Amino acid sequence: GAVVSQHPSRVICKSGTSVKIECRSLDFQATTMFWYRQFPKKSLMLMATSNEGSKATYEQGVEKDKFLINHASLTLSTLTVTSAHPEDSSFYICSASISTGKPQHFGDGTRLSIL
Amino acid sequence: QKEVEQDPGPLSVPEGAIVSLNCTYSNSAFQYFMWYRQYSRKGPELLMYTYSSGNKEDGRFTAQVDKSSKYISLFIRDSQPSDSATYLCAMSERTDSWGKLQFGAGTQVVVTP
Repeated sequence: GAVVSQHPSRVICKSGTSVKIECRSLDFQATTMFWYRQFPKKSLMLMATSNEGSKATYEQGVEKDKFLINHASLTLSTLTVTSAHPEDSSFYICSASISTGKPQHFGDGTRLSIL
Repeated sequence: QKEVEQDPGPLSVPEGAIVSLNCTYSNSAFQYFMWYRQYSRKGPELLMYTYSSGNKEDGRFTAQVDKSSKYISLFIRDSQPSDSATYLCAMSERTDSWGKLQFGAGTQVVVTP
């Protein structure tokens, strides 16, 4: 069964809206979670590493003021796309490792469409 | 040059055939190699996980790693229409929770009945 849950699965909203996406680890604690973005027929691009209790680490080229990450507990990380515009439309996916040394498991993603 | 190269396909095979997928990479520091399956509009699902060179088998799936050639493969035996998906290879230098994955572009596989 799923070990990482992501919500919502689909969001359609108007330009200028802020959108929050949740990523939860199920039945395990994740001190680190990862946020990825995927364009149609393209691979996953790492956006940021979410660290419980501290600031996220963003990849080069990712605007940290646009993509706010909060990892307030060991089972929940959130990604907020602030003042979203059509170019932010994409498939956003989170991941976490069950334990150190184990590969990442992914959530089912959130399809974000900005009109 | 991308760190991980993977033919995007599509790769079409008849049901029951062997599906052969591969990735090449340039970073010799990669030690951990993974294959994920992704259905349309879903997140990637972990299929296989291997460390360093060698083979690993799990049911119908066999993963091979040749670090000297910087080449990894995934074989799917007795393919089924339900195997139709995009297969992503991924690699990492580390396994701790800070390990970042580098993905291939993904190969779309279509298994025809």
